[in-house]
Order: sequence, then C-alpha cells, then structure tokens
Amino acid sequence: KNQVEQSPQSLIILEGKNCTLQCNYTVSPFSNLRWYKQDTGRGPVSLTIMTFSENTKSNGRYTATLDADTKQSSLHITASQLSDSASYICVVSALDYGQNFVFGPGTRLSVLP
Amino acid sequence: DTGVSQDPRHKITKRGQNVTFRCDPISEHNRLYWYRQTLGQGPEFLTYFQNEAQLEKSRLLSDRFSAERPKGSFSTLEIQRTEQGDSAMYLCASRTGQSNQETQYFGPGTRLLVL
Repeated sequence: KNQVEQSPQSLIILEGKNCTLQCNYTVSPFSNLRWYKQDTGRGPVSLTIMTFSENTKSNGRYTATLDADTKQSSLHITASQLSDSASYICVVSALDYGQNFVFGPGTRLSVLP
Repeated sequence: DTGVSQDPRHKITKRGQNVTFRCDPISEHNRLYWYRQTLGQGPEFLTYFQNEAQLEKSRLLSDRFSAERPKGSFSTLEIQRTEQGDSAMYLCASRTGQSNQETQYFGPGTRLLVL
C-alpha cells in the first residue's frame, strides 16, 4: 500500500533555531517527492520538489534531502522565523498511481518568540 | 489574481442539506483535483479531472458526493444529504498535466461545518 509517514507529529521551537522534519514513504514506483507548507486555514504551497536522482534541494532557508534507497526525506529549516509556523506536508508521487500524489499527515511546527 | 480560487470560503449547513462548492483552476491547467482535509491530517484525495473527463474517484467519495467539470474549466463538488462527518476543509488543486514533475497549485479551500 502506498503510504507516507511524517515525524514528529508536532514540534515547538524558539525563533532563530533550526529544525528538521522527517518523511518516510513506501510509494512505488517512485517519481518525485515534494514538501508543502500549509498555513492555518489556507491551501498548501509548494516548497521543493525532488526527483529520484536529486539528493538535496534548497529554497531559501528550507533545505530538503532525499535518500531514495531508504525511502526517506527530511526538510531542514534554518534560522526559523515566526512566519514558519505552519504544517509541513510531504507528498510523494508514483509513476503509475492514477491520481499521482500520496500525502503525508503533516508536521505541525510552532515557532515561538 | 491568477491562482486557484474556491467559493465559498466557508459554509455552515444543517445535517441533511445539500451543498455545492466551486473551484476555478489556473487558466489552461488541464488537471483539476479535489481533496478533503480534516484537522491535523494531510489532504485526502477525492477525485480528479483531465479536462472535462473525471478520470478517478476515491473510495472516500460516497454516492452522496458528485463532481463535475462540464467545460473543462471550473469544477463543482456537490454533497447531498450532508452528515456531520462531512465537516472538513475541501481543497481544490490544479496543474497542467504535462509533466509529472510540475507543481500542483492549491486553492484556499472551502471549510464546511455540518451542524
């Protein structure tokens, strides 16, 4: 069964600190992996997308890594800001999965002043 | 604003009533998706369209749910005889469908509360 798991479920950090969010997946055959940021009450917004051959991808203070062998990904946030408070959702796309996207449950990040 | 738009943003209804949501995708995006999201969970796939054709429906989509995209542009999602368990955020997303690597753009969602 195609599944995406994320950890931790929620995380609280102080402004300025770094953090790392984890994503494990069993989606096969793998096509690509995306990280989305979802502010409360809003739709998700894409942060990064990585294909099988990419190990890392950065978008400002966000850096995603991918290990296709172990089927794991991480999202590292550097020098966190209050505006980083949101849910971060890992989404994996399979080559032959009709609707193409399998969503994880998300990690709820709270950045405190 | 050329992003995905959804209407209404919020809907409160009584159990047993019918509701209809609308999604306007980004112009020229052939693929349109509907998702349902409950608190603390990621979006769950409901259905998707390639132009006007509804290509796939999730088992989550009971016979009370129906979606249309009559002209391959905007789409509607109707829920008949609403139940309290239908309370959720309903998200719409679109993309061109030309590449598996492209980004899926989400609308702001319609939050439904069934009393």
